[in-house]
Amino acid sequence: QVQLVESGGGVVQPGKSLTLSCAASGFTFSTYSMHWVRQAPGKGLEWVALISHGGTSKYYADSVKGRFTISRDNSKNTLYLHISSLRAEDTAVYYCSRDFGELVVRYYMDVWGKGTKVTVSS
Amino acid sequence: EIVLTQSPATLSLSPGERATLSCRASQSVSGYVAWYQHKPGQAPRLLIYDVSNRATGIPDRFSGRGSGTDFTLTISSLEPEDFAVYYCQQRSNWPPDTFGQGTRLEIK
Repeated sequence: QVQLVESGGGVVQPGKSLTLSCAASGFTFSTYSMHWVRQAPGKGLEWVALISHGGTSKYYADSVKGRFTISRDNSKNTLYLHISSLRAEDTAVYYCSRDFGELVVRYYMDVWGKGTKVTVSS
Repeated sequence: EIVLTQSPATLSLSPGERATLSCRASQSVSGYVAWYQHKPGQAPRLLIYDVSNRATGIPDRFSGRGSGTDFTLTISSLEPEDFAVYYCQQRSNWPPDTFGQGTRLEIK
């Protein structure tokens, strides 16, 4: 079945870096754009980043621009999010999600993982 | 930047009742609004896209309507599994913050 499984979260010190991964299965990964969305404790959903199906186009929320890098390896059916210079406000559950459109970006998200938790603390 | 405001923040209803959730945009988002359901510890779930289209596998008790700046998600008769947090999302102006702050639907 269609599935996304995130990994790589944990407790990290402020200023350090971290890379999250999202393993996709059950669909043709290389034909879908992918998103990262996060949810801070007690807060709502916040869109973080989008990468096109081929990996050539990338978009970021203003709040993470310059520190977050989204990437993908279509040969491994895996999506990544590299976070540098971690801050306390980056503490959140990070979800990867599939864009609703195949080969064209629809900006809705129709498949989601269960998330990986990142805690930034000294 | 388009801001989505959801109301009420919390809605307390009983199973079998009708739920009406509101999402208001700070400027027109045309026909590009989606609704998601999110339960604690679970993956969010796409319910409605493009204002009124149900996503695959979504029961017909969920419906969406609206235009311009005002949108509504209606659950015609609440089932026990419907109690969750609901978010609206716009894709008319991309890529900014796109989600509303959420409405918590709780059991009365």
